[in-house]
Amino acid sequence: DTEVTQTPKHLVMGMTNKKSLKCEQHMGHRAMYWYKQKAKKPPELMFVYSYEKLSINESVPSRFSPECPNSSLLNLHLHALQPEDSALYLCASSQEGRGRRTSEQYFGPGTRLTVT
Amino acid sequence: LAKTTQPISMDSYEGQEVNITCSHNNIATNDYITWYQQFPSQGPRFIIQGYKTKVTNEVASLFIPADRKSSTLSLPRVSLSDTAVYYCLAYNYGQNFVFGPGTRLSVLP
Repeated sequence: DTEVTQTPKHLVMGMTNKKSLKCEQHMGHRAMYWYKQKAKKPPELMFVYSYEKLSINESVPSRFSPECPNSSLLNLHLHALQPEDSALYLCASSQEGRGRRTSEQYFGPGTRLTVT
Repeated sequence: LAKTTQPISMDSYEGQEVNITCSHNNIATNDYITWYQQFPSQGPRFIIQGYKTKVTNEVASLFIPADRKSSTLSLPRVSLSDTAVYYCLAYNYGQNFVFGPGTRLSVLP
């Protein structure tokens, strides 16, 4: 199984809502990532988890809160978002061992988020 | 991180070979060249990776000259379904991905 699944596919939320994005993989990968992608722009890295520990936070606002409950799951909790946060949120995973991360990342289909 | 430069867009016709060149003048010794493909509303998909010379898989070939300051992704006999954005990355184990703007390939009938 080389699939990364993300739910929901689409999400519309108001600026006062709290919602969560979910990502799951069963490839045994120990590195997991959240990216944000605006229309016609490349993906931008937000967070990296390595062995369920947050290793990289690319200066993301605190209204985005990641969580890695176990080695297969990755969540992104959203609170008090702004309209400019509307984007495609991509989850990815890759193998990791001895501090080395492979360049082959497996991406999910993304969650299309609209903040109203 | 090595900065990569690619053409913003390219057009091709079905059945042709497409070559997309990426410049990475300040590539580091430990950097690998990695290419991803992204269709609209989907996540990027790994295509190929190389360090030097030529690498070929079932999807594409990657040519990297001896000085490694550039690389060329070659897609043989493209079809309409190859219409996508192609990203070139210079990647070093332990670093994080920095996607450039990519090349938007349009395959015409």
